[in-house]
Amino acid sequence: GAGVSQSPSNKVTEKGKDVELRCDPISGHTALYWYRQSLGQGLEFLIYFQGNSAPDKSGLPSDRFSAERTGGSVSTLTIQRTQQEDSAVYLCASSFRRGPTDTQYFGPGTRLTVL
Amino acid sequence: AQSVTQLGSHVSVSEGALVLLRCNYSSSVPPYLFWYVQYPNQGLQLLLKYTSAATLVKGINGFEAEFKKSETSFHLTKPSAHMSDAAEYFCAVKLASAGGTSYGKLTFGQGTILTVHP
Repeated sequence: GAGVSQSPSNKVTEKGKDVELRCDPISGHTALYWYRQSLGQGLEFLIYFQGNSAPDKSGLPSDRFSAERTGGSVSTLTIQRTQQEDSAVYLCASSFRRGPTDTQYFGPGTRLTVL
Repeated sequence: AQSVTQLGSHVSVSEGALVLLRCNYSSSVPPYLFWYVQYPNQGLQLLLKYTSAATLVKGINGFEAEFKKSETSFHLTKPSAHMSDAAEYFCAVKLASAGGTSYGKLTFGQGTILTVHP
């Protein structure tokens, strides 16, 4: 079956522009996670969604970052007024549930470069 | 709060030699621990996970890890390195108890890049 897919694979934008990153989770997975991977900060949790529950936004670095998940499936991470420090690889993962033993399956990531 | 520390940002071994990648955790509650591998320009792939069923966990590609509570460690090993094992490896922890904002998310170590020489 299909794994987690993300689009675009690469995005180059100018400072101050808004960007949208898309994640398609594995069908049937109720939990969806966004992480950011950067040279300086390593792998950081950003946000996760679990079914119809309120998302856990505790990892979002600023109010320029937001995410939504429509219909319990596809998710979009939006970064407004991008800054150079937003340059990173944004990884999406999904799992059947959000429990501690549930394996998170990762997509290939979107590499964001802010000029 | 939980955290993991990976000792050594780079490890270099010869093909056929033992691979040992170190991970120590810090958690106020029983942790669930994971090792992921990342090949260049790819996402993360699960190698193995500790979920308290057994302290010695066997994973894919011949890797295994042993949970040692007394040492707060979860080191990853492989008896004989292959060239194809060259990648970056991440240790990660999840809380085992429900509730709170930390539940469900993975907290990663800084990663260890494994280089395998012919």
